[in-house]
Amino acid sequence: SQELEQSPQSLIVQEGKNLTINCTSSKTLYGLYWYKQKYGEGLIFLMMLQKGGEEKSHEKITAKLDEKKQQSSLHITASQPSHAGIYLCGARSLSGNTPLVFGKGTRLSVIA
Amino acid sequence: DVKVTQSSRYLVKRTGEKVFLECVQDMDHENMFWYRQDPGLGLRLIYFSYDVKMKEKGDIPEGYSVSREKKERFSLILESASTNQTSMYLCASSLDRFYEQYFGPGTRLTVT
Repeated sequence: SQELEQSPQSLIVQEGKNLTINCTSSKTLYGLYWYKQKYGEGLIFLMMLQKGGEEKSHEKITAKLDEKKQQSSLHITASQPSHAGIYLCGARSLSGNTPLVFGKGTRLSVIA
Repeated sequence: DVKVTQSSRYLVKRTGEKVFLECVQDMDHENMFWYRQDPGLGLRLIYFSYDVKMKEKGDIPEGYSVSREKKERFSLILESASTNQTSMYLCASSLDRFYEQYFGPGTRLTVT
């Protein structure tokens, strides 16, 4: 079955610093979705990447898709406390019963 | 904006009780999903529905059933709640089963 591995599992950064979260797939990626979840709440859709080399931005968050590496990266520039939360990647599943498979998330804390 | 609502944010039930979790979406989406989210295990798909009265098993359907009588509403039923069903339950909807999913705020269910 397809798996998405996210790294790091957790991250603590100082406010104003840049950071990167990675999502690596065990199989070819056909569409990659990034979500943000605040503790105890639902997932908020951030952006979708479909083609290799594609790059999208949402406010200070930029995501890229590297199809050859079967990987996507999420980069936050000049982090703020509002960026804190859990970031999850999701992808179209090529096996199993579920249409989309999700990573287990990266927990981001931003400290002043 | 897509809006997905869930009937309760927090719910406490006793072992053996029948539990109903309801989800409503307002975007005329064909597909609706029920997940549970547990620490260390991530999001796991319980059931999904691609049309009214249609349902498909996800990865962990045991102990659950679903009902979709109207396009906008998807219910998750725990026939006889057990303590191992204590979890965060998330509902989602999407236009196509492989497109981005939009999530509700979640229901934190505790079974005692």
